[in-house]
Amino acid sequence: DTAVSQTPKYLVTQMGNDKSIKCEQNLGHDTMYWYKQDSKKFLKIMFSYNNKELIINETVPNRFSPKSPDKAHLNLHINSLELGDSAVYFCASSQDPRGELFFGEGSRLTVL
Amino acid sequence: GDSVTQMEGPVTLSEEAFLTINCTYTATGYPSLFWYVQYPGEGLQLLLKATKADDKGSNKGFEATYRKETTSFHLEKGSVQVSDSAVYFCAGGDSSYKLIFGSGTRLLVRP
Repeated sequence: DTAVSQTPKYLVTQMGNDKSIKCEQNLGHDTMYWYKQDSKKFLKIMFSYNNKELIINETVPNRFSPKSPDKAHLNLHINSLELGDSAVYFCASSQDPRGELFFGEGSRLTVL
Repeated sequence: GDSVTQMEGPVTLSEEAFLTINCTYTATGYPSLFWYVQYPGEGLQLLLKATKADDKGSNKGFEATYRKETTSFHLEKGSVQVSDSAVYFCAGGDSSYKLIFGSGTRLLVRP
């Protein structure tokens, strides 16, 4: 059973399109996150949600809209995709804000 | 703000060599510190952690000690294997729901 699963794993799309990435965790954790990893492997937090409530929005353009329908799911919708959005997006969850993060396998987004 | 700085890679070693990857942190408080590992095509996995000063985290032959006086959490392994080739990330987190990652260090171990 995969603890944190995200779909799709790969996404190739044209500039200007809108796309979504879904994430689900079966660990019973209260907090979920989206991180962006660029081509140089640099990992930066985008959002964190605790019990479906937005806790962190790290100056991400408002083209990115996270949605948490329940504690176990955190989806990421991106409008008007730009070339610079190409990256690997990782979903993660944790029980303790100071504790271990459990990561999904990543969703590689390529914008052409 | 809080930050984590780790040595740039790539680090290339021969099998059975000694590994050190340096990591220092800047924080107003005393964060928990972590090392994560990312194998090719995979997500990050926790390698080890330490939650307070002088704690030593260890796993799979890797070790790191939380040094408050030098604000460091250097990763070490006495004898690396080819299977240790991966990207290693140092990270720090307090209670703010935001784990800060270093820039990652790629390790390549040659047979």
